[in-house]
Amino acid sequence: DTGVSQNPRHKITKRGQNVTFRCDPISEHNRLYWYRQTLGQGPEFLTYFQNEAQLEKSRLLSDRFSAERPKGSFSTLEIQRTEQGDSAMYLCASSLVSGRVSEAFFGQGTRLTVV
Amino acid sequence: AQTVTQSQPEMSVQEAETVTLSCTYDTSESDYYLFWYKQPPSRQMILVIRQEAYKQQNATENRFSVNFQKAAKSFSLKISDSQLGDAAMYFCAYRTTGTASKLTFGTGTRLQVTL
Repeated sequence: DTGVSQNPRHKITKRGQNVTFRCDPISEHNRLYWYRQTLGQGPEFLTYFQNEAQLEKSRLLSDRFSAERPKGSFSTLEIQRTEQGDSAMYLCASSLVSGRVSEAFFGQGTRLTVV
Repeated sequence: AQTVTQSQPEMSVQEAETVTLSCTYDTSESDYYLFWYKQPPSRQMILVIRQEAYKQQNATENRFSVNFQKAAKSFSLKISDSQLGDAAMYFCAYRTTGTASKLTFGTGTRLQVTL
C-alpha cells in the first residue's frame, strides 16, 4: 500500500501523559498536513510542512503540541501533558505541490482517547 | 476568514435514486478551489470531486456532479444512481490558491443509502 500511513490507529492515554503519533506520507510528496477532527465536526487544520520546514501553525496548536518532519520524510506529532479536550481523530495528509492544484491524500487517522 | 457551512447533518437516499448535498461558503477571494471529500466509516477520506472557481463549467466525475453558483457562494454535490457504497460522511472543503493549500472543511453530511 503506497498511501498515507498513520500509526498508531488508536491510542488511549491517561490525562497528563505524553503521546506521539507518526505519519508516513506518499513518498514523493513534498507537503504534509496535520488536521484534527472531533466528533461531529469536519477536520480542522493544525499545521503543515513543505519538505522539512514547518511553514504554518494554527492557533489551535497550543504550546503542548509539537510537530516535526525530519529530512522531509515522515512526520511526528507530539502532545505533551494530554488533556481530555485533546481527544480527537488526528489526520495526516500529503500532497505534491506542482502547478495550480494539488490533491491532498489522507491517512486513516489516529484516534486519541484521553481518560 | 473563510467558512464552509453544510446545513444537512444527515441525508438518506434509496439505492439508484439521486440525492443532492448542500454546501455554502464565505470568502472574499475571487480565485479558489472547492472540493467534496468522502469519509467512509473507519476509512480514510478520499477526494470525490473538485471545482476551480475561475471555471464556469460545473465539474463532473461519473455519477458525481456539482452545481457551483459562485455569486451565491453555493457548491452542492449531486450523486446520481446512488449505490450502497456511497454511504459515508461527505465533507465540503475550500482552499485558497495561496501557498499554504490548507483545506477548510464544513461539518459534514452523513449519507445513508437504503435498499
